This record gives sequence, structure tokens and C-alpha cells, in this order.
Amino acid sequence: DIQMTQSPSTLSASVGDRVTITCRASQSVISWLAWYQQKPGKAPDLLIYKASSLENGVPSRFSGSGSGTEFTLTISSLQPDDFATYYCQQYNTYPYTFGQGTKLEI
Amino acid sequence: EVQLVESGGGLVKPGGSLRLSCAASGFTFSSYSMSWVRQPPGKGLEWVSSISSGSNYIYYADSVKGRFTISRDNAKNSLYLQINSLRAEDTAIYYCARIRFSSGYMDYWGQGTLVTVSS
Repeated sequence: DIQMTQSPSTLSASVGDRVTITCRASQSVISWLAWYQQKPGKAPDLLIYKASSLENGVPSRFSGSGSGTEFTLTISSLQPDDFATYYCQQYNTYPYTFGQGTKLEI
Repeated sequence: EVQLVESGGGLVKPGGSLRLSCAASGFTFSSYSMSWVRQPPGKGLEWVSSISSGSNYIYYADSVKGRFTISRDNAKNSLYLQINSLRAEDTAIYYCARIRFSSGYMDYWGQGTLVTVSS
């Protein structure tokens, strides 16, 4: 199975900050990687697919990059609504696997 | 508007069974692969199972293989997960999710249904 490791597990930041979350795969997933945002008590929302494609309706302050085994999610200027937990997911190979999550907090 | 509504969760004793359902609307259900993803309380997401649009391809996580069965009824726009031989570690919110264009990533999710395994 492909292991997905996110760093950091917790990130403290302020409104207006630029933040980056890293996701590393134990083997290449090419560009078959998605990012999700989850708020407490809610289902995850898709942010990014194919490593860098922005889902419709997602603010342009979110961006994704990377290929192979290393990927990043960047939020260019944090807004109050962005404080949530973020997950990466590889869909190159079954079983699909998620990172353990990064909690973005104030 | 795409909607996915799960039901069927509840409290069950270890070794018991449940059948989860997911009612889909707002899109052509029969054209999409679907998945179940679970989340233990306070923990991260775990992919459980996926099924192709015509049920030809089915995949399971090792942790549930042999105990869980995914199925769908395209005439009823419904996805199912039969879960047997339940263990405490199966306690989680179970989400159904649509896979976009058989790609593998999940673009719409239901609100989830809670399964609690406890004696």
C-alpha cells in the first residue's frame, strides 16, 4: 500500500499568512493526488485534484503543486474560513490512501 | 444539485451486522463510480471501498475485506455497504462519496452516518 505522510500535523497561523502543507507518498503517485478541507462536524470538501487543478468554486488563494512523491498545498493569504483540517489522498493505486491530516489553527 | 444522503447507522454489538444506504440525487447515478470512506471519532479519513458504475469493478481496504460488501442499485439511485462481523475499531462516521469520471478523487460527499460498535 502507498503510505501518505503529511507535515506538519498541526500548523498555527494568522489571518493573512501564507501557509504550505506538504504531503509525501511512499512511492510515486504521478500526479494522481487530491486535497480536501474538512471542518468540524462536516464532510470533507474537494479543493484540488490531479495535484494542481483547482476545483470549481474554490478560492484562488488555494493552490497545489508537485508530482511523483512530493506535493504541497499552499494558501496564499489565510482567511478566517480556512481554519480547518486538510487531507491529501492518492488515487494512483488501490487501496486509495489518505494522509493523516493537518490541522490549521489560529 | 448533487445530494448524497446516508442512512442505516446505529449502535451494534461486536460481531453484529448493519446495512448502510446512500441515496443519490441530482446527477446520473448510473454513470459514476462511488466510494465509502470512514472516519473514526476524532481521527483521520480511511478509504473503505469503491464500486464502478456498472458494478464490474469492486475494491476494498484490507481492513474490511471479507467482512464488508459494497453494492449498488442503479434503478434506485442507491449505494449500499453491508458490514458484518463488526469490531470496535469499525466505529466511525461512514461517508458515501461520488468519484468523478472514474478518476479516483471524490467530488461530492454525503453528511455521513455514525456506526458505533459497543457491547
